[in-house]
Amino acid sequence: GIQVEQSPPDLILQEGANSTLRCNFSDSVNNLQWFHQNPWGQLINLFYIPSGTKQNGRLSATTVATERYSLLYISSSQTTDSGVYFCAVDMNRDDKIIFGKGTRLHILP
Amino acid sequence: DVKVTQSSRYLVKRTGEKVFLECVQDMDHENMFWYRQDPGLGLRLIYFSYDVKMKEKGDIPEGYSVSREKKERFSLILESASTNQTSMYLCASRSGGAGNQPQHFGDGTRLSIL
Repeated sequence: GIQVEQSPPDLILQEGANSTLRCNFSDSVNNLQWFHQNPWGQLINLFYIPSGTKQNGRLSATTVATERYSLLYISSSQTTDSGVYFCAVDMNRDDKIIFGKGTRLHILP
Repeated sequence: DVKVTQSSRYLVKRTGEKVFLECVQDMDHENMFWYRQDPGLGLRLIYFSYDVKMKEKGDIPEGYSVSREKKERFSLILESASTNQTSMYLCASRSGGAGNQPQHFGDGTRLSIL
C-alpha cells in the first residue's frame, strides 16, 4: 500500500523561529490534508491541499503532486504551535485515508 | 462548522467488559471513520463506513466491531475489552461522493482497560 513519510520526526525550536515540515508519499493521491494535534489530543484541520499553495496567517502549505510531496511552513513560531503535525492522504481507489506518523514540534519560550 | 462529538473524553473499563464508543456528526456526512492512536504508531484505521448499515474493515479491525444504524451515528464496539486496547480513539467524518472532502475529527476518547 501507499507509504506516507513525514520528516523530521521531532523538532525543537525557539519561539520566533521558522520551520518546514515535509510529507512524502509513494503513490498518486486524490487529496492531502495537514492536521495539528494539540497537547490535549484534538486534531485540527490546517489545510486541504491536493496541489498548489495555500496560506493561512503564519502557516502555509505547498503540495507538488507530480513529485509526491507536500511541505508545511510555520513562520514566527509561537508556543501554541507545539504539538504533533500529521499529513494524511486519500487514495483515488477507495475511501481510506492514510496518515503519516507525524512530526512532533516543541516551541520553547 | 462541522461538529463531530464523541461521547466521552476519558473512559476506564475492566478486562472482559463490552465497551461502546459513540460518535455523532451533525453535517449529514456519508463517510465516518474510527482510528486508534498509539505512541510511535500514529493513527491507524480500525473501521470505516460510507453509508448507513455499510462498514469496511480498516487496517486493524481485530477485536472490534462497528454499528451504523443512522447516518449521523457511528459506534465502535469492543466485544471483550483487553488491556492492549488501551489507547486514544478518534472518530472522524467527511462528505462522500466525487471530489472527496476534508476529514473532521472529534476530540478523542482516552480509553483505559484495567
